[in-house]
Amino acid sequence: GQNIDQPTEMTATEGAIVQINCTYQTSGFNGLFWYQQHAGEAPTFLSYNVLDGLEEKGRFSSFLSRSKGYSYLLLKELQMKDSASYLCAVINGDYKLSFGAGTTVTVRA
Amino acid sequence: GAVVSQHPSWVICKSGTSVKIECRSLDFQATTMFWYRQFPKQSLMLMATSNEGSKATYEQGVEKDKFLINHASLTLSTLTVTSAHPEDSSFYICSARRDSIGYTFGSGTRLTVV
Repeated sequence: GQNIDQPTEMTATEGAIVQINCTYQTSGFNGLFWYQQHAGEAPTFLSYNVLDGLEEKGRFSSFLSRSKGYSYLLLKELQMKDSASYLCAVINGDYKLSFGAGTTVTVRA
Repeated sequence: GAVVSQHPSWVICKSGTSVKIECRSLDFQATTMFWYRQFPKQSLMLMATSNEGSKATYEQGVEKDKFLINHASLTLSTLTVTSAHPEDSSFYICSARRDSIGYTFGSGTRLTVV
């Protein structure tokens, strides 16, 4: 089966940096997504990694190590609007997309 | 591009009735559609995978007779919650896959069973 772990909650100050870790064990691997989700809304795409290394996109960066089954999402220059749930999701060998439990990030002034 | 329309956005129904939720890919043909359920403060749990023209594949623990999925065309999949009960109240989200990594989500349906 799929096992995707990420911390439940994180709190940071406006302007700071936060790193959300995700470890996974899946049957096959075809990539890893990071999504942002606000309560009652659908997830919004942030990043996709399929090869090892760092993908940078503005204030958000995502890293993947396939050998370690590990990824992180780095949020820089935090803004109040970044307060949300961040979901790590893995595409397995059957192209099913499975989600971690999500990390609630609270940004404080 | 890559827009998925999910309807209705919210629905309130009486216990024992059935509710149908539609998921349409508006500008692409979806080879596969996925249905998720999300309870408050929890993550998205995959319920089933549907491919056009074939029976849906349900995840372990999901009752196929209760959650009927019909994937009638490459642009439309429906989820019917039959004989709904209050414990079925949840946020249901569909996702349409257009290629190996292109997953697009619908806006979700908030179901409340009273």
